[in-house]
Amino acid sequence: DAGVIQSPRHEVTEMGQEVTLRCKPISGHNSLFWYRQTMMRGLELLIYFNNNVPIDDSGMPEDRFSAKMPNASFSTLKIQPSEPRDSAVYFCASSSTARTGADTQYFGPGTRLTVL
Amino acid sequence: GESVGLHLPTLSVQEGDNSIINCAYSNSASDYFIWYKQESGKGPQFIIDIRSNMDKRQGQRVTVLLNKTVKHLSLQIAATQPGDSAVYFCAETYTGRRALTFGSGTRLQVQP
Repeated sequence: DAGVIQSPRHEVTEMGQEVTLRCKPISGHNSLFWYRQTMMRGLELLIYFNNNVPIDDSGMPEDRFSAKMPNASFSTLKIQPSEPRDSAVYFCASSSTARTGADTQYFGPGTRLTVL
Repeated sequence: GESVGLHLPTLSVQEGDNSIINCAYSNSASDYFIWYKQESGKGPQFIIDIRSNMDKRQGQRVTVLLNKTVKHLSLQIAATQPGDSAVYFCAETYTGRRALTFGSGTRLQVQP
């Protein structure tokens, strides 16, 4: 079975440029999460969707960040304009809420973003 | 691969020994806990989970213990192998909240 798929795996861009990260969740999963991981702050939740609807975006750093989930099999995280402090590894995770209660999240391989 | 934290606490064990990784959580409402393993250059990988109505759960070579009284979680790895070297994170959440809150992680180094 395919796991969570993220692209690109690596992105190097210059300050001020727009960056778009992509995620395909596990088929059948209806919750999708975006995390950011840095050495200083560890793993931080940015936003999550349930049934394609954003539920909690309180972790989104600022207006430069936006996320969409147009359908159950695709999500994007966009940074515009990018800044050097956005350099991090961005993970997408998905889970199934078919059962009651919390469900295990499965992570993608991440996108390493470097903003010069 | 990326580093997940130059200042992570590190546990160094000999191959074949048992490892115990600890985690303290703060939210008394948390009722679901997960241990993840993250190898260099990869995303966190699910190891084992436990719900608050249990205090122990066993998997293959791994055991998770939950002490709700002191809000403490531990991961025990039996007969630690070089392939177990990674950063281990505990995560918590509660019923109705889909998002996880992650701990800061512990680096496990297995010496051959």
